[in-house]
Formats: sequence, structure tokens, C-alpha cells
Amino acid sequence: GAVVSQHPSRVICKSGTSVKIECRSLDFQATTMFWYRQFPKQSLMLMATSNEGSKATYEQGVEKDKFLINHASLTLSTLTVTSAHPEDSSFYICSVPTGGYYEQYFGPGTRLTVT
Amino acid sequence: GQNIDQPTEMTATEGAIVQINCTYQTSGFNGLFWYQQHAGEAPTFLSYNVLDGLEEKGRFSSFLSRSKGYSYLLLKELQMKDSASYLCAGMDSNYQLIWGAGTKLIIKP
Repeated sequence: GAVVSQHPSRVICKSGTSVKIECRSLDFQATTMFWYRQFPKQSLMLMATSNEGSKATYEQGVEKDKFLINHASLTLSTLTVTSAHPEDSSFYICSVPTGGYYEQYFGPGTRLTVT
Repeated sequence: GQNIDQPTEMTATEGAIVQINCTYQTSGFNGLFWYQQHAGEAPTFLSYNVLDGLEEKGRFSSFLSRSKGYSYLLLKELQMKDSASYLCAGMDSNYQLIWGAGTKLIIKP
């Protein structure tokens, strides 16, 4: 498996500001990481696939200029929510696929609240 | 389109057995996953089925019927700590996970 950390675990920010969320793979070199968003009582929604050394691949309907993804190394991917609005308030989770059974190991998530 | 259906909520008694069903429609199929998610936490992997039949892992078992597009997660000897949401996810031909909305399992003493 893989141990995945996220920072911060919770963040409250004002509308219009930007927030950066870090996802780290602590014991596995990840060329790919996934970013999900989950609204209360809803399923996980894949936002984008983060690719080390190249541009992220965004899912349909996800604004790439609003959700900036940087996969700077094999152990770190960052998601920056730019000009955040209250509707961006959600639970953001990253995951690391480790092959094998195509298992994904999830980070603990980041609860973003935009006021 | 692609779709995962599972019940929204189920209630069971401590020590009992519960079966959570999931039906799926995916473009191609590379397996069916079950994850457990406690409130406010990230999902944790429970099981993976790609062939028909039952996979047993301790108190948890998972079943798959590819011809019926159907899976279930069976939890035995329920404990209070099993109270959580259980997410069914199908992997499509592009190896992307299509997630269900989750089944909230409430365990009563």
C-alpha cells in the first residue's frame, strides 16, 4: 500500500482568497495522483488527474484555471483553489494509485470552508 | 451512461449480519471496489472483485456477478465501529473509478 498525507486537514478562508492543499505520498513514488471532491452525502467526484512532470488532466466541468494542480515531484501534488467562493466549500481528497489491483490509497482529506 | 446504485441507508443490530447491494453500469469493466468511509474521513479500501464469486476477508465478504452487473458487501458479527458509509465503485475500461453515493450503515446495540 501507500501512506498518503494531506495538509491542511481543515481550512477556513474568506471568499475571493486562494487556498493551497498539499498531498504527499510518504512511502510510494507516485507519477499519478487523483484529486476528488465530495459534497455532503454525495459520492466522490474525480476532479483531475495529477501527472508528475506534465499538465494535469481535468474532468469535464472542472475549471482548470480555478483549480490549479502542480505535481512537482514523485511525492507531492498540490491543489490550489483560486478565488474561492462559498460553493467551493467541500471535502477535498487526494489518492495515490499503486497498481496491482489498481488500489487507490486516499489521503485523510481536507475540509475547506469558504465564508 | 455510467452509473452505480446502492441504497442510501441501512440499519442493523450489533452482532448481526448485513448485506449491502450495489448494481453497476460501466463502459467496460475492470473490477468492483468496496470502500469504507467514516464520517469526515477519507475512504479506506475493503475489497476488490474482478471475477465472479465470493471473496472472503475476515468478517467482510464481497460478491460479484458480472452478468448481472451486481455486487454485494456482506458484513458479519457487526460491531459498533462498523457504523460508516460503504462506497461501491466500478472501474471502467479507462481504469477510472465510478463511485456510488455510498450506503450509510447504522448499527444499533
